[in-house]
Amino acid sequence: AQKITQTQPGMFVQEKEAVTLDCTYDTSDPSYGLFWYKQPSSGEMIFLIYQGSYDQQNATEGRYSLNFQKARKSANLVISASQLGDSAMYFCAMREGNGNNRLAFGKGNQVVVIP
Amino acid sequence: DAGITQSPRHKVTETGTPVTLRCHQTENHRYMYWYRQDPGHGLRLIHYSYGVKDTDKGEVSDGYSVSRSKTEDFLLTLESATSSQTSVYFCAISETSQPQHFGDGTRLSIL
Repeated sequence: AQKITQTQPGMFVQEKEAVTLDCTYDTSDPSYGLFWYKQPSSGEMIFLIYQGSYDQQNATEGRYSLNFQKARKSANLVISASQLGDSAMYFCAMREGNGNNRLAFGKGNQVVVIP
Repeated sequence: DAGITQSPRHKVTETGTPVTLRCHQTENHRYMYWYRQDPGHGLRLIHYSYGVKDTDKGEVSDGYSVSRSKTEDFLLTLESATSSQTSVYFCAISETSQPQHFGDGTRLSIL
């Protein structure tokens, strides 16, 4: 069964606007972590933001924030004030609390920022 | 930069030949991982290591083996490469409960 689901088609967003990328997850483990990574066209994988299942507040890192809705099992990434350099693939990933630190990745969301 | 070097960065080889990819880290992290990335599949875990000589299989381990004889190096071997193993391979490292950080990837083409 797929643990991370990212189903949005490619998205176009106007520069300076906000964009939300959807991620839903499936786990029965009460302890888990959720991650977002960015992959620009140059190919490297860049860690953006982390949310722990027991964290009381939504994570934020600069222009990135995570809209964590535990009951709905969703962890959407919000990018505020989009920039041209935000054009990339974005991957959601989950680590379950079984101690081996493995990540399960979704298939990614493509974002294109237009001027 | 997380101090991860993958080599080679690009390789073209023929079906049936052995191939070894190397991941080298300078961070002294406990965990190391090998993923492959294919269109429509995201990143899939091949093998990972949780210490020297301690390794385990991921979700797509068939046809691959790994070795970790020292903390800084994690080798991925394709004993007899097949065209289905044409992919981009990423190495990642992490400490316990910390985010994984990735190398720049190796583009492998098997003809």
